[in-house]
Amino acid sequence: KNEVEQSPQNLTAQEGEFITINCSYSVGISALHWLQQHPGGGIVSLFMLSSGKKKHGRLIATINIQEKHSSLHITASHPRDSAVYICAVGPKETSGSRLTFGEGTQLTVNP
Amino acid sequence: DTEVTQTPKHLVMGMTNKKSLKCEQHMGHRAMYWYKQKAKKPPELMFVYSYEKLSINESVPSRFSPECPNSSLLNLHLHALQPEDSALYLCASSQLGLSNQPQHFGDGTRLSIL
Repeated sequence: KNEVEQSPQNLTAQEGEFITINCSYSVGISALHWLQQHPGGGIVSLFMLSSGKKKHGRLIATINIQEKHSSLHITASHPRDSAVYICAVGPKETSGSRLTFGEGTQLTVNP
Repeated sequence: DTEVTQTPKHLVMGMTNKKSLKCEQHMGHRAMYWYKQKAKKPPELMFVYSYEKLSINESVPSRFSPECPNSSLLNLHLHALQPEDSALYLCASSQLGLSNQPQHFGDGTRLSIL
């Protein structure tokens, strides 16, 4: 079993829909990261969380440390949100800067 | 615009060639990373430099040789690569080498080995 599990693996939505991507992890963490990767390849860091909730524009990220679970929400989705969304955690047990990545969620938003 | 710049964007090389990938950041970050990413897979950590010293080598074959000439630059020297080394190579940086800090990624170099 992977230390970081994301669901769903693939998600197709219509423009305007509310989207949720889930991430569960099995280790103690120092922080959880949500990343976005467009087809061109570059990765953008969306959020880093160690507790609670963060919001940036139409994106909201939440984390429940006790349940070892995080969600990324996109409100009023748009075709430009189409990308791979990756959850990554910084495990407490490992030293330094190693991140453990989930397999990613491929999101496609149709107009 | 990305704050981490990688060159070249694309590279095609033969198995006997020697080439280098370059990465540059001017955010004053003291940790820099090389990742390898195969299609439809998450990035795999290769190397981490912290304060210009190699702090993590994830058992990467010696045909990949990293170098950090100064705090802003990171190179990856390539020699005698194999076809399975074809991948997207991503550079990243963070303020310090801690997992509770955001990493800033470049756009990557797409490498093809003939």
